[in-house]
Amino acid sequence: QVQLVESGGGVVQPGRSLRLSCAASGFTFSSYGMHWVRQAPGKGLEWVAAISYDGSNKNYADSVKGRFTISRDNSKNTLYLEMNSLRVEDTAVYYCAKDQVAYGYSCDDWGHGTLVTVSS
Amino acid sequence: ERVMTQSPATLSVSPGERAALSCRASQSVGSNLAWYQQKPGQAPRLLIYRASTRATGIPARFSGSGSGTEFTLTISSLQSEDFAVYYCQQYNYWPLTFGGGTRVEIK
Repeated sequence: QVQLVESGGGVVQPGRSLRLSCAASGFTFSSYGMHWVRQAPGKGLEWVAAISYDGSNKNYADSVKGRFTISRDNSKNTLYLEMNSLRVEDTAVYYCAKDQVAYGYSCDDWGHGTLVTVSS
Repeated sequence: ERVMTQSPATLSVSPGERAALSCRASQSVGSNLAWYQQKPGQAPRLLIYRASTRATGIPARFSGSGSGTEFTLTISSLQSEDFAVYYCQQYNYWPLTFGGGTRVEIK
């Protein structure tokens, strides 16, 4: 069965950086697009970024464009989110999610999330 | 950016009753609309994609309809496990966007 396990969350000061990872198993990772979706405490879902199956296409939410970078290593079945210049409003649970197809579709499997807290 | 608006924000329903949740897009998204269910402390779960196709393992009491700018998720007879928050998401245009959610609570 599909498993997505996020890691790398924690407490970080505003302006600092953090890298999240998502270890994937149970499916052919290199055939599917992947997404990061976040949820601030007590709030709704916010799509953050997506990457195509081969890493050649990427898209970002306006709120993170220029600060966050999504990437993947298909040899390690791992998805990443490099987060720079973090802001208090980036505080959220970050979910890794699998696309239903190669890129840009709905997400049919989700990890349990990792909490990022940006605070001084 | 396509803005997705869900209504109502909260829906109070008795077990066994029917629930209809609405999702409206600021511009047409074709049929590229998904519905997700989220329970407290859990990750979202895909219910419906392509506006009306049930995801694997989703019970037949969940159905989706609509296209363009108006969409509906219908739960035909609410079970205790269906009380949760429901989100719509468009994936027709970048950036992908979610609605604000509808909380379905026990009446």
